[in-house]
Amino acid sequence: DGGITQSPKYLFRKEGQNVTLSCEQNLNHDAMYWYRQDPGQGLRLIYYSQIVNDFQKGDIAEGYSVSREKKESFPLTVTSAQKNPTAFYLCASSAWEDYGYTFGSGTRLTVV
Amino acid sequence: RKEVEQDPGPFNVPEGATVAFNCTYSNSASQSFFWYRQDCRKEPKLLMSVYSSGNEDGRFTAQLNRASQYISLLIRDSKLSDSATYLCVVNGKGGNNRKLIWGLGTSLAVNP
Repeated sequence: DGGITQSPKYLFRKEGQNVTLSCEQNLNHDAMYWYRQDPGQGLRLIYYSQIVNDFQKGDIAEGYSVSREKKESFPLTVTSAQKNPTAFYLCASSAWEDYGYTFGSGTRLTVV
Repeated sequence: RKEVEQDPGPFNVPEGATVAFNCTYSNSASQSFFWYRQDCRKEPKLLMSVYSSGNEDGRFTAQLNRASQYISLLIRDSKLSDSATYLCVVNGKGGNNRKLIWGLGTSLAVNP
C-alpha cells in the first residue's frame, strides 16, 4: 500500500544534540512538507520541497535543516540551535497541483 | 485578525444530532479550502475539499461563502466515531502560493 512513513514515533533529545527525523513516501508525490504542532497552536510550516534538490523555508525554519536528495525522502534535522524543539512533528506529501496532503503518523520529540 | 479562525468548542452532541462548524478566513485571494480531521495524538487526515458550489460526501456537507469569507462543515446523524478535532485549512496568499494556513481546530465530542 502507498503511504508516508515517519520514524521514529518517539524521540528523546539531550540539550545540545542534533537529531534527524525520517520521512519516506512511496506515493510518487513531488511535494513534501514538514510541520510542527504544539498544544493550542495550529500546524506551522518548517520547510517544504517541490522537487528533488530544492527546498524552501517555511514560517519557522530557524534551527532546522532539510535535504531532498531523493523524491521519496525528506529528512528533517533538528539542530541544537532550535531552542524549543519539544513538539509533534508531522511530515506530509502531495501531488504538485494538489493541496490534499497525506500525512505521516508523526514523531513526538522531547528534550530531556 | 487571525488568518483562519475557528470556534475551538468543544461541541458536545448526542448521537444522531446534526452539528455545524464555521470557519472564517482573512485573505480574500484564497482559492483552495479544506476540512481535515485530526484524532487525538494522531496525524490530520483530509476529510473533504470545499468547492464554490458546495459539496456533499455522505453525512458531511461543506459550503463556501466567498462574500463573507467563511466556510462551513455540517455533519448529519453524528456517530461516536465522528469525535475528533476538525481543522479548517485555507491556501496562503497568492494564487500559486503552496502554503496552507491551518486553523486551530474545533473539537467535537459525540456522546452515547
